[in-house]
Amino acid sequence: DGGITQSPKYLFRKEGQNVTLSCEQNLNHDAMYWYRQDPGQGLRLIYYSQIVNDFQKGDIAEGYSVSREKKESFPLTVTSAQKNPTAFYLCASTQLAGALNSYNEQFFGPGTRLTVL
Amino acid sequence: AQKITQTQPGMFVQEKEAVTLDCTYDTSDQSYGLFWYKQPSSGEMIFLIYQGSYDEQNATEGRYSLNFQKARKSANLVISASQLGDSAMYFCAMREGRSNYQLIWGAGTKLIIKP
Repeated sequence: DGGITQSPKYLFRKEGQNVTLSCEQNLNHDAMYWYRQDPGQGLRLIYYSQIVNDFQKGDIAEGYSVSREKKESFPLTVTSAQKNPTAFYLCASTQLAGALNSYNEQFFGPGTRLTVL
Repeated sequence: AQKITQTQPGMFVQEKEAVTLDCTYDTSDQSYGLFWYKQPSSGEMIFLIYQGSYDEQNATEGRYSLNFQKARKSANLVISASQLGDSAMYFCAMREGRSNYQLIWGAGTKLIIKP
């Protein structure tokens, strides 16, 4: 089955630690995205990548880092510089090219819930 | 200014009734797309329906339809014959232009279906 996997589902971090959230897709999609969602809020874009070895900052990139060494993988590191990292993190992907009427909707993984202890 | 506005933070609807979730948007692009996603309590985001700015007819997908009023810049989601499983957060999102594949998200509406 094609889809996006995220691991772990739950992650606990001590203050001052860096943690890495995994995101893998087997949809052969070009673009991948990381979003942060706080309780009762919408999604905010952290980073996105449209091609291997290239990525761009989103609206709230401070305290986060990413890499895109393979098309199917886009891990997110939450660094100790992120002051309030407790949130729900969603990874998404989309195909950039397609038919003129293609939706190019974003497909989402199941999310990782990060809690700082 | 907010690009996507969902004015209903929460709604209660009786089972089997139709429900309309509001979404207004702001863009100066002629080419754009509007998306609706459902987020159950488990957290995953489920794509529901899409409307392109050049689409002449309102989009429909099963019990979901999109009431697209371009002049008013509104793209309301209509769910017919609501079911208990429709209880979830619903998000409206917009993609501007054809070269930018980023989505701009609304704050969401929490829909609760009452039995």
